Amino acid sequence: DSGVTQTPKHLITATGQRVTLRCSPRSGDLSVYWYQQSLDQGLQFLIQYYNGEERAKGNILERFSAQQFPDLHSELNLSSLELGDSALYFCASSLLTGDTEAFFGQGTRLTVV
Amino acid sequence: GESVGLHLPTLSVQEGDNSIINCAYSNSASDYFIWYKQESGKGPQFIIDIRSNMDKRQGQRVTVLLNKTVKHLSLQIAATQPGDSAVYFCAENAGGSQGNLIFGKGTKLSVKP
Repeated sequence: DSGVTQTPKHLITATGQRVTLRCSPRSGDLSVYWYQQSLDQGLQFLIQYYNGEERAKGNILERFSAQQFPDLHSELNLSSLELGDSALYFCASSLLTGDTEAFFGQGTRLTVV
Repeated sequence: GESVGLHLPTLSVQEGDNSIINCAYSNSASDYFIWYKQESGKGPQFIIDIRSNMDKRQGQRVTVLLNKTVKHLSLQIAATQPGDSAVYFCAENAGGSQGNLIFGKGTKLSVKP
């Protein structure tokens, strides 16, 4: 158990809908990272937050947004969902934002039908 | 569950043998590299990292080698065990941070008892 908790584990929704994925980082970790893993694109970095502030941005679509709350948990919002958004979404956390070890959650499997 | 591309390179080794997993990275400006292990149904797990000012780094049963001239990274696993069976990803970062990592496609390691 990495200490990173993601909910829900599975999510099935229809095209055009909006969903929210939640991540609770390890206790004491200030950085949260979101990744998307799909069959055709592999693992892709989406966005990083550090102590509530956006720190780095990767290949995140405009339909997607994220935030980190004062208690350090984070949410990834996916809207106007398309079939191609079906993927595993991972959250990871690390103590700082430097080159420290990041711990991944078990992921949320999103299926858009 | 499945979490990687359909056409992953595969490596099959006998239990007790050494494994070498290779990775070519893309950005000559990348200065930080990480190897991750992903078991079926789980999130990626940090194995070992290396900065660009090093050629080699050793961990417990694992060694990472970095050849900046040809932009090549390798992971050596000594005395491979059945529990090492997983998909292994290399990741690179040009900013010396966990954020905005670029992941390789992954290599599936199968260990035969």
